[in-house]
Amino acid sequence: NAGVTQTPKFQVLKTGQSMTLQCAQDMNHNSMYWYRQDPGMGLRLIYYSASEGTTDKGEVPNGYNVSRLNKREFSLRLESAAPSQTSVYFCASSARQGIPYEQYFGPGTRLTVT
Amino acid sequence: AQSVTQPDIHITVSEGASLELRCNYSYGATPYLFWYVQSPGQGLQLLLKYFSGDTLVQGIKGFEAEFKRSQSSFNLRKPSVHWSDAAEYFCAAEGGYNTDKLIFGTGTRLQVFP
Repeated sequence: NAGVTQTPKFQVLKTGQSMTLQCAQDMNHNSMYWYRQDPGMGLRLIYYSASEGTTDKGEVPNGYNVSRLNKREFSLRLESAAPSQTSVYFCASSARQGIPYEQYFGPGTRLTVT
Repeated sequence: AQSVTQPDIHITVSEGASLELRCNYSYGATPYLFWYVQSPGQGLQLLLKYFSGDTLVQGIKGFEAEFKRSQSSFNLRKPSVHWSDAAEYFCAAEGGYNTDKLIFGTGTRLQVFP
């Protein structure tokens, strides 16, 4: 099992450009999450999806959109990138089914917006 | 508001010394509690978790954590630190059934000197 995979690993964008971060998991998990990690801030939840076809906002959703394409894949889109979106982005998944769970994390995407 | 606090931003220990990383939470009820470790350039890996029952929890890599309800704490400990333990450590909490969201502390960076 590959676990949680993310592409790309690194990306540099100019202000105003758009891009999509891809995430896939092969653990048959129901829930998937997108976080951003900034120095001194820990991880903050951007969006999450409790099941295929549903998405909900997290703590910092502004400037982002998500798509739960199927049970395996959950993408994060930046429509018009801003320097404030320079960060490391992590995707995670969990088997949450009404019981306590743990989240499994991907290796991250380091995004720089100039 | 729900929150997780890690009061130590950076800790330095000598190899072979004992370690304690502090974590305090603020929730309406006892949350589910987690410790994750992040090695440089990597994603997060779960060290241990507490849901209920025995308040001393054993995890991977020789780590343990103790839940203290009276102090709203979930401190991580290791009796003898190895150089490979140098990493960033995150405490996280989840508020219970169907909340679907982890709240992370800001992390503690551990440096180990030979």
